[in-house]
Amino acid sequence: NAGVTQTPKFRILKIGQSMTLQCTQDMNHNYMYWYRQDPGMGLKLIYYSVGAGITDKGEVPNGYNVSRSTTEDFPLRLELAAPSQTSVYFCASSAAWNTIYFGEGSWLTVV
Amino acid sequence: DAKTTQPTSMDCAEGRAANLPCNHSTISGNEYVYWYRQIHSQGPQYIIHGLKNNETNEMASLIITEDRKSSTLILPHATLRDTAVYYCIVRVELTGGGNKLTFGTGTQLKVEL
Repeated sequence: NAGVTQTPKFRILKIGQSMTLQCTQDMNHNYMYWYRQDPGMGLKLIYYSVGAGITDKGEVPNGYNVSRSTTEDFPLRLELAAPSQTSVYFCASSAAWNTIYFGEGSWLTVV
Repeated sequence: DAKTTQPTSMDCAEGRAANLPCNHSTISGNEYVYWYRQIHSQGPQYIIHGLKNNETNEMASLIITEDRKSSTLILPHATLRDTAVYYCIVRVELTGGGNKLTFGTGTQLKVEL
């Protein structure tokens, strides 16, 4: 019953460091998404992918990169971390236009 | 994207029905209304969705007005575990497939004894 799995759960980064948030799903969904949620706010779409090898920008893509080499995995890379990237990151997946299922989140603090 | 308007917070007594309203007056004819909830910063959890007919599942009921400009999520017998932020979302279909869910700030539902 894994669904969407994200790692790490918590991470503290120093300004300027880089890291990758991992996301994997076992539902054979073609569509995957990365959202971020700032305190007291709703989720905002960073990037999404409609299948292996295809990605596109969402509302807030600056400072992030993604890749999709397999159906299961959709890692999110933060380059040159900034304090503005302190947030909770959610990975999600769906089949076509069906319901989106979310992971449990990754808490990132940039200091 | 169609915007939604929800009350900031609501209270409900345990065991009673919780009725959460949502306005989406700019919704287009083929756009679905989705409801998610988020319990204490966990990942959002899908509840229910609908186009124009009323819908019911094991978690909740969704009532959509005939003009589709508003809807109400009903939790028939709220429990303490239903305390969460509830998001009403109009789904946008992305080019090439997939969905875009635009989250507002939602309604904080507090269920009390």
